[in-house]
This record gives sequence, C-alpha cells and structure tokens, in this order.
Amino acid sequence: NAGVTQTPKFQVLKTGQSMTLQCAQDMNHEYMSWYRQDPGMGLRLIHYSVGAGITDQGEVPNGYNVSRSTTEDFPLRLLSAAPSQTSVYFCASSSRVGDSPLHFGNGTRLTVT
Amino acid sequence: GNSVTQMEGPVTLSEEAFLTINCTYTATGYPSLFWYVQYPGEGLQLLLKATKADDKGSNKGFEATYRKETTSFHLEKGSVQVSDSAVYFCALKRNSNYQLIWGAGTKLIIKP
Repeated sequence: NAGVTQTPKFQVLKTGQSMTLQCAQDMNHEYMSWYRQDPGMGLRLIHYSVGAGITDQGEVPNGYNVSRSTTEDFPLRLLSAAPSQTSVYFCASSSRVGDSPLHFGNGTRLTVT
Repeated sequence: GNSVTQMEGPVTLSEEAFLTINCTYTATGYPSLFWYVQYPGEGLQLLLKATKADDKGSNKGFEATYRKETTSFHLEKGSVQVSDSAVYFCALKRNSNYQLIWGAGTKLIIKP
C-alpha cells in the first residue's frame, strides 16, 4: 500500500524558475494539504483541499498555486522560485472521519539558489 | 482560538531514562489529540491519538492521556532507547474540521 507519494525527493532550482511538486494518495481521502517545514518553525500550512475542484489557502500561500482535478492528486506549483522558498515540503491527506489522522508523504527537499 | 503549546527542546536523555514531553492545548468543544513523530530524514507519522477526555493513547511504549481538566496531553515513556531520537509533534483536531493545529515540535536526543 503506497499511501501518500511525493516526487521528487530532492530538487535544486535557480531563482525565478518554476516547478511542480507532485503528490498522490491511494486511500480515497477527501482532504489533502501541503506544508512546509523550516528549521525551528515547525509545520506551516500552505494550501489545502477538501475535495476535487475545491482548494483554499493556508497560513503561507504566497508564491504557490494548487489545483485538485482528481481525488488522488494534489500538485503544488511554485510560480517563480525564491530563496525564501528553500524548505522541506510535505503533502498530507486524511479522510472525513473526525478523529482520522493525517497521512504524510516522505517530503521534497527544495533548494533555491 | 485553538492552539497547542509544547515544551521547547532539545530534550537530551540517557538511554533507559523516563521521558515526559509536555503538551497543553486551548480549544473550544472536544477536539481529538494526536502525537506525531518525525525520524531524521522522514515524514511525520502518527504515534498515538485520543479522542475524548480520559482516553489513553499508546503505541511503541509511549503513552499520553487526554486530560480535559488540565487541557493537557503529555507524552510519556518509561525507558527510552537511542532509536527514539526524533522530533515529536503534538496536535489537535476539532472534529468538525479537517485542519490540525500543531505544536512547534520537540526534538528528543537519546544518548547511549
């Protein structure tokens, strides 16, 4: 059982480049989300989705776009990369049930030079 | 509003020591409470959870009890191992909402 799959695992970008971080889950979860994790900052929510065609902003959405065309996939797009976006990015999903936990991918380590 | 406060780390212990990582919360209603663990270079994974007052979650020798009177969910383990070295996150979830409210994380270092 794959769970939440993120690709790539590592990425280096130059300032101004764009890219898409991929996230897929095979658990039929309604809820999907993207977090970034910076040293000493814990987890910060970027964007989330409660179902196909529905997305919303989290705590730190600027510089990122998302879409949710299917239940399984929730890609995160960096429009014009900046050094401040150097971070580890995690995708996570959960079902609708009230006490259901988040299932995390293994993360994408992004460096912007 | 809703919030989670964890003790600051790093917490450094010797192998076989007793562990407590404090977590307190502020929330309306009756949230579910979680502890997640993040091993070096990996994503977060659920360690244990509790869904109502006085529930005790347990897994891998770790325990935490949902204390509504003190709004706490402290993580404990009787005898830690080097392999327990990781970052531990406390979180709450209101059952009417998908979102988790996260603590800042506590880094645990266990020395042999």
